Amino acid sequence: AQSVSQHNHHVILSEAASLELGCNYSYGGTVNLFWYVQYPGQHLQLLLKYFSGDPLVKGIKGFEAEFIKSKFSFNLRKPSVQWSDTAEYFCAVRGGGFKTIFGAGTRLFVKA
Amino acid sequence: DTGVSQDPRHKITKRGQNVTFRCDPISEHNRLYWYRQTLGQGPEFLTYFQNEAQLEKSRLLSDRFSAERPKGSFSTLEIQRTEQGDSAMYLCASSLAGTDHSGNTIYFGEGSWLTVV
Repeated sequence: AQSVSQHNHHVILSEAASLELGCNYSYGGTVNLFWYVQYPGQHLQLLLKYFSGDPLVKGIKGFEAEFIKSKFSFNLRKPSVQWSDTAEYFCAVRGGGFKTIFGAGTRLFVKA
Repeated sequence: DTGVSQDPRHKITKRGQNVTFRCDPISEHNRLYWYRQTLGQGPEFLTYFQNEAQLEKSRLLSDRFSAERPKGSFSTLEIQRTEQGDSAMYLCASSLAGTDHSGNTIYFGEGSWLTVV
């Protein structure tokens, strides 16, 4: 069965600090990988996605993620966070079938 | 706004009552999903429709839960004889199946909060 593990439940950073959120998945076949973001009071929005090709994908608002197949990982990065990046971030995987499976989420708080 | 819309946004009900949520997907999206999210957790898959056919149901979806998508457009999720454990955010999402992977990207609505008292 597919599963997604996000290593950090809560992260607190100061503005301009670099961000890396860990995500590991469990599935042996071809996967599609996603990061979604949920800003306070808003709905889940797609941040970026990986289907195939270049394992380094760039998303909105300066975020990027790297797919490392050998490590079953898809970590999210941003070189310099802003206060407006305060949100909850969800890693998700879609393997065989129709389901997209989500991790438990990481709450990021950026101090101004 | 042509995103996924859900109604009602909030529902408070007494234990044992029935509730129904409605979802209108993005226009022309033929895939529709229901998820449930509780505090501190990510969305949990409940069920999936391709057009009007319900193709997959999670074991989380007990007999008290039923979902329909009669004309392949909007969908309803009904919970019968609600229990306090049903309190959660019920999320609807949609996608457009295509010849590439684009149909694997799902777009969420704002969710319907259910509180069972």
